[in-house]
Amino acid sequence: DGGITQSPKYLFRKEGQNVTLSCEQNLNHDAMYWYRQDPGQGLRLIYYSQIVNDFQKGDIAEGYSVSREKKESFPLTVTSAQKNPTAFYLCASSTQMTGNTIYFGEGSWLTVV
Amino acid sequence: ELKVEQNPLFLSMQEGKNYTIYCNYSTTSDRLYWYRQDPGKSLESLFVLLSNGAVKQEGRLMASLDTKARLSTLHITAAVHDLSATYFCAVGNAGNMLTFGGGTRLMVKP
Repeated sequence: DGGITQSPKYLFRKEGQNVTLSCEQNLNHDAMYWYRQDPGQGLRLIYYSQIVNDFQKGDIAEGYSVSREKKESFPLTVTSAQKNPTAFYLCASSTQMTGNTIYFGEGSWLTVV
Repeated sequence: ELKVEQNPLFLSMQEGKNYTIYCNYSTTSDRLYWYRQDPGKSLESLFVLLSNGAVKQEGRLMASLDTKARLSTLHITAAVHDLSATYFCAVGNAGNMLTFGGGTRLMVKP
């Protein structure tokens, strides 16, 4: 089945640690996105990528990094510079055609311990 | 800066009743998305509205878009318990990036 797979679903980070969230899609979509959701709030864009080997900062990119070496993969690293990383992280993908449906993965919960 | 506001933020309604969720946005856009989110889960796409006057319906939900008023509505007809969830609207920006509203948490009581 086509879809977006995020892993791990739950992750605990110690202070000062970097952690990487995986996002893989088999929808043959060119564009991929990372959003952050804090409890009871809407989603905010962290990074996006329209094409392999290219990505752009979103509204809240500080403390995060990404790579896009393959079309189907868009991992997000939460660095120690992100002071408040506890949140629900959602990966999304779409075609480049404006107005097409944007699909979301199942999400990853990150908690700082 | 684009701002998207939803109201109400919380809605408790009885089964069988009708209600409307409103989504206002601050700058011009002709793409409006509605999503549903169950607790602890991902977002499920409900509607994509792409032009002024667009109206789409699926079951008990109907969404509309007025780009001149910068307003979209999600109308619920004869609510049932299964519709209990949080509903988000999102405005499309360049490159299919989305700016989300804060969400409307809907509880449908028997």
